[in-house]
Amino acid sequence: GQQVMQIPQYQHVQEGEDFTTYCNSSTTLSNIQWYKQRPGGHPVFLIQLVKSGEVKKQKRLTFQFGEAKKNSSLHITATQTTDVGTYFCAGLKDQAGTALIFGKGTTLSVSS
Amino acid sequence: DAGITQSPRHKVTETGTPVTLRCHQTENHRYMYWYRQDPGHGLRLIHYSYGVKDTDKGEVSDGYSVSRSKTEDFLLTLESATSSQTSVYFCAISPRLGGPYNEQFFGPGTRLTVL
Repeated sequence: GQQVMQIPQYQHVQEGEDFTTYCNSSTTLSNIQWYKQRPGGHPVFLIQLVKSGEVKKQKRLTFQFGEAKKNSSLHITATQTTDVGTYFCAGLKDQAGTALIFGKGTTLSVSS
Repeated sequence: DAGITQSPRHKVTETGTPVTLRCHQTENHRYMYWYRQDPGHGLRLIHYSYGVKDTDKGEVSDGYSVSRSKTEDFLLTLESATSSQTSVYFCAISPRLGGPYNEQFFGPGTRLTVL
């Protein structure tokens, strides 16, 4: 079946360093979404990418959708302790797809 | 946060007992989902609903059943709980399935422990 893989599984950085998580699908996606889950919390929607090659920014966060619509990345510039949490990508196979397929997530820890 | 509540928030039960988790929404969204979250597995879809009395299976549906008799309520039942069903369960809702603006809004979660 369709799989969405995320790497790395864990990442520890010093505050101020950059961070990137990568998401790869075995099949072409119609769109991809990113969610953040703080420790002890629930996933919260961050952004959705729909177009091939799309790049979106939210303050220090930059999201990219690959040209082939099979991969995506989330880059955080100058991490802060508030960035701690698990970042999930989730892909939708097609416009009439039944449900999102979530990656296993990348857990980010930040030390000050 | 979207109007989603889950009950109970925590439950400890014994193997073999039935358990029902409730998800309640006030957003009138059509789609509702049940996920389980386990270390190393991320979020896995159990069942979802695309309308009242309309449900379908997800990736890990064995041992679970669902019901949706009203738009606002989606119930997840473990007919006979097993230790492998110890997990954190999240309910989610979304206004649509495909296309843009189909983000999911998650409830606070239910931590279930089966002894």
